[in-house]
This record gives sequence, C-alpha cells and structure tokens, in this order.
Amino acid sequence: IAGITQAPTSQILAAGRRMTLRCTQDMRHNAMYWYRQDLGLGLRLIHYSNTAGTTGKGEVPDGYSVSRANTDDFPLTLASAVPSQTSVYFCASSDSSDTGELFFGEGSRLTVL
Amino acid sequence: LAKTTQPISMDSYEGQEVNITCSHNNIATNDYITWYQQFPSQGPRFIIQGYKTKVTNEVASLFIPADRKSSTLSLPRVSLSDTAVYYCLVGDRLAFGKGNQVVVIP
Repeated sequence: IAGITQAPTSQILAAGRRMTLRCTQDMRHNAMYWYRQDLGLGLRLIHYSNTAGTTGKGEVPDGYSVSRANTDDFPLTLASAVPSQTSVYFCASSDSSDTGELFFGEGSRLTVL
Repeated sequence: LAKTTQPISMDSYEGQEVNITCSHNNIATNDYITWYQQFPSQGPRFIIQGYKTKVTNEVASLFIPADRKSSTLSLPRVSLSDTAVYYCLVGDRLAFGKGNQVVVIP
C-alpha cells in the first residue's frame, strides 16, 4: 500500500514559471491537505479539501490553487512561482475532516530562483 | 481556531522519560488533541490522540487535565532515534504550529 504519493520529490524552477505538485492517495480518504514547511515557521496549511469537489483556504493560500476532481488526487498549482514559495511542501490525507489520523507524504522540495 | 503553544526545543539524555507540554487555552468543547512526530526529510507521523484524562499506546502516553487547556506527551525511556520535532495539534488542521525540537543525547 503506497499511502500518499507526492511528485516531484524535488524541483528547481525559475521565477514566473507555472508548477504543479502532484498528490495521490490510495486510502480512499475524504479529506486532503497541502502544507508548506519553512525553517522556524513549522507547518502551515495552504489549502484543504474535506471531500471530492470541495476545497477551502488555509492559513497561507495566496499564490496557490488546488482542485479536487476525484477522491484520490489533490494537485497544488503555483501559477507564477516566486522565490518566497521556496519551501518543502507536504500533502496529507485523513478519513475525517475533524478527527482521525493525518497521513503525510514524503514531501516535495521546491526551489524558486 | 484553537492555537497551540509549545517550547521551542529541549534536550534529554538517552533512557530518560521526556515530557513535552502544549498549551491550548482556546480549545473548543469538541476538539481532540493530537500529537505528531517528524524526523528530518520526512513527513510528520501520528503518535497519539486524546480528548481527556489519559491515553496510552505502545509509543507514548498523553495526559490531559480536566480543564483541557494543556496536554503533556510523555515518551518513556527515550533513545537516540526519538530525536525529532513533536507537534501538538488541536481541533482542525489549520493550526499545526512550530513544534518542539527534542534532541536525545547519548
């Protein structure tokens, strides 16, 4: 069982370019989340989805968009990357939007130059 | 939105019991308290969850006082491999916080 799969593992891209981070889960979880982790700031929620077809904004949504066309996939898109979006991005899922264990992917390290 | 406050870091010697506290003064009636552990270059992983009093599993114990405004994660007899960042999460997944860096010293 793979759990949560993120791609790419690492990416360097030029400022202004469009980038999509992929996240797929095989646990049939309803809720999915995108976090970014920066040194000294911990984990901050970017966007979330409580169920397929719905999305919501987290603490730091600006510059990012998400979609949830089906249960398994929750891609995160940077329409025009900026250096401040250099970070490690983690996708997570849970079978409940309120309680229950969060399962995290291994992260995607993104560097914007 | 329940916010959490944790110490930034702490050191402990191998074999000792480690107690990590978390303050959550604005916890809502239906909020659960969940702790996660994160090793370098990995995603966080679930340790334990509780609502009140005490919860114990094979990894840790979680102590929650009656007013539920704080909680304490207890790791028995830590080893070097317990060096990690520990996060306390209350209620919804918005407020993950900065976590507590625990370093286990030989």
